[in-house]
Amino acid sequence: QLQLHQSGPGLVKPSETLSLTCSVSSAFFRSSSFYWGWIRLPPGKGLEWIGSVTYSGTTYYNSSLQSRLTISVDTSKNQFTVTLSSVTAADTALYYCARGRYLSAGWFDSWGQGTLVTVSS
Amino acid sequence: DIAMTQSPDSLAVSLGERATINCKSSQSVLYNSTYQDYLAWYQQKPGQPPKLLIYWASTRESGVPDRFSGSGSGTDFTLTISSLQAEDVAVYYCQQYYGIPLTFGGGTKIEIK
Repeated sequence: QLQLHQSGPGLVKPSETLSLTCSVSSAFFRSSSFYWGWIRLPPGKGLEWIGSVTYSGTTYYNSSLQSRLTISVDTSKNQFTVTLSSVTAADTALYYCARGRYLSAGWFDSWGQGTLVTVSS
Repeated sequence: DIAMTQSPDSLAVSLGERATINCKSSQSVLYNSTYQDYLAWYQQKPGQPPKLLIYWASTRESGVPDRFSGSGSGTDFTLTISSLQAEDVAVYYCQQYYGIPLTFGGGTKIEIK
């Protein structure tokens, strides 16, 4: 059964870099049938897609974050990572990793447990 | 970007009654070459990650109870819970995957009346 386990700090100082890693427990990670994404839920708001990465390393970013965003994949560890630089209070949110289906931009059928990231000094 | 607008923001429904949530996209998410609507629905309960309910606007994910159904095409979509159960209390989101960036609706909170 697929499991996605998130790790990373829950508190980041303003202007610093947020970094979260998602570890995938399954051989599905190597399948071209899936892709891997990051989504966040700011307090009091709706879900926001951050970006996605395929197993081969092709990335798709939300243009609103693109200048500060990097998503990478480590196939040897079955992990993918999001880094967001120069964070502000507006980046405070519950961050989720998820498995995507249908090409490289479809729906998300399995989600990590979520990491609450607070940007504060 | 394709904007997704859900209505209502919240909804109180009696147990056993029907609940209906609407989702409208700012442009059509019907892909002409496949005749598929690129729309999904999710359920998020407090303290849990979102759970996929429906994709292709009307295809239920495996294991999702058949009281959940999706309908609509083009720009207007509906999620219907035919007989609300206590465990259905949650926030529901629609999502389009017709274009990048992927975008979600603002969510609809369902409560028990």
